Amino acid sequence: SQKIEQNSEALNIQEGKTATLTCNYTNYSPAYLQWYRQDPGRGPVFLLLIRENEKEKRKERLKVTFDTTLKQSLFHITASQPADSATYLCALDKSDTGRRALTFGSGTRLQVQP
Amino acid sequence: DTGVSQNPRHKITKRGQNVTFRCDPISEHNRLYWYRQTLGQGPEFLTYFQNEAQLEKSRLLSDRFSAERPKGSFSTLEIQRTEQGDSAMYLCASSPGGARSGNTIYFGEGSWLTVV
Repeated sequence: SQKIEQNSEALNIQEGKTATLTCNYTNYSPAYLQWYRQDPGRGPVFLLLIRENEKEKRKERLKVTFDTTLKQSLFHITASQPADSATYLCALDKSDTGRRALTFGSGTRLQVQP
Repeated sequence: DTGVSQNPRHKITKRGQNVTFRCDPISEHNRLYWYRQTLGQGPEFLTYFQNEAQLEKSRLLSDRFSAERPKGSFSTLEIQRTEQGDSAMYLCASSPGGARSGNTIYFGEGSWLTVV
């Protein structure tokens, strides 16, 4: 069965360091992958999208890589700030089934200590 | 505010009662989605509309759940005979194009349901 895995344990880092979050998937051939940020009690907010033919995407302090051979995406936040503390979700399309919905991982909570 | 609007934001209901949630998508977005999210989990897809047509329904959407988008604008999600397992946050999202095309999906703030 198709599966998306994100580290369920919270990631605690010091302000100014680079946070790296991992998204692994199995039994998928996604056309693209998206990363969202979610604050407690709020809806997810889109951050970045990377397509299967792209290796890397950047936006300000954010960087996403996509390795379709390893079936893995890495999400980096450089020069992290306490305001970056949130849960980060990865999401994939289901192009192999033709569905239009996104399938989300369970998210990784990031805590940036001042 | 021109984002996706959901109401009510919070609903507490007794088991067995019916509840209805409303979603107003971003104007001119013809695609509308409903997701459900429980604590510690990511959003789970429930259903998808393109304009007024409901094109996709998840297996999660039991017979007690019904969603409509009568004029291709706002949408309602009704849960009949609520059960405690229905307690979750119900998220609505919209997009100008299909998810498969890589368009950004914009989520609302969600409607929290607690069934007691």
